[in-house]
Amino acid sequence: EPEVTQTPSHQVTQMGQEVILRCVPISNHLYFYWYRQILGQKVEFLVSFYNNEISEKSEIFDDQFSVERPDGSNFTLKIRSTKLEDSAMYFCASGDRPNTGELFFGEGSRLTVL
Amino acid sequence: GNSVTQMEGPVTLSEEAFLTINCTYTATGYPSLFWYVQYPGEGLQLLLKATKADDKGSNKGFEATYRKETTSFHLEKGSVQVSDSAVYFCALPMIKAAGNKLTFGGGTRVLVKP
Repeated sequence: EPEVTQTPSHQVTQMGQEVILRCVPISNHLYFYWYRQILGQKVEFLVSFYNNEISEKSEIFDDQFSVERPDGSNFTLKIRSTKLEDSAMYFCASGDRPNTGELFFGEGSRLTVL
Repeated sequence: GNSVTQMEGPVTLSEEAFLTINCTYTATGYPSLFWYVQYPGEGLQLLLKATKADDKGSNKGFEATYRKETTSFHLEKGSVQVSDSAVYFCALPMIKAAGNKLTFGGGTRVLVKP
């Protein structure tokens, strides 16, 4: 069964360092998303991406964040200069249709910023 | 924007017990409603959905009915199994009636003991 895969599963980094989280969405999907969940809090929408550009982003997704689809398979989230409050589980998701609410999530990448 | 509140866990119960997880929402209009489930070590996956009032979503023995009069979408299962141990998330589109930009409840951890 097709699935969304994410790497790394866990990354520990120092404050101020750049981090790249990688995702391989399901191959025929066109809509891509990043969500995050800070420990003990809700899963929050970060950004959506379609047709090689950001379609929507939340207030959380400031200039420190960027997304890219560098090739036909990967979808990355970059945090330029990590802060302690960026520590969270980051979930990548993909979908084959807009506006259905039916997303396929990866297992998540846990980011710990020290 | 739209929001959702679900009961906090953890919920611990024995096999074959009846499970209810409460979810209430605040929304403009009548958005689609979702339950997502996250099994240990896996990503969130769509469990069931309902797109209009009085609709009943069902899957894997779980059911939830879209009740506009009480703005609720409670998840129920008549006889749980150990394999139902997971975290359950109620969700709806953040702003519009439909969309892939979802807002999630805090998640309810369910532990089913043999």
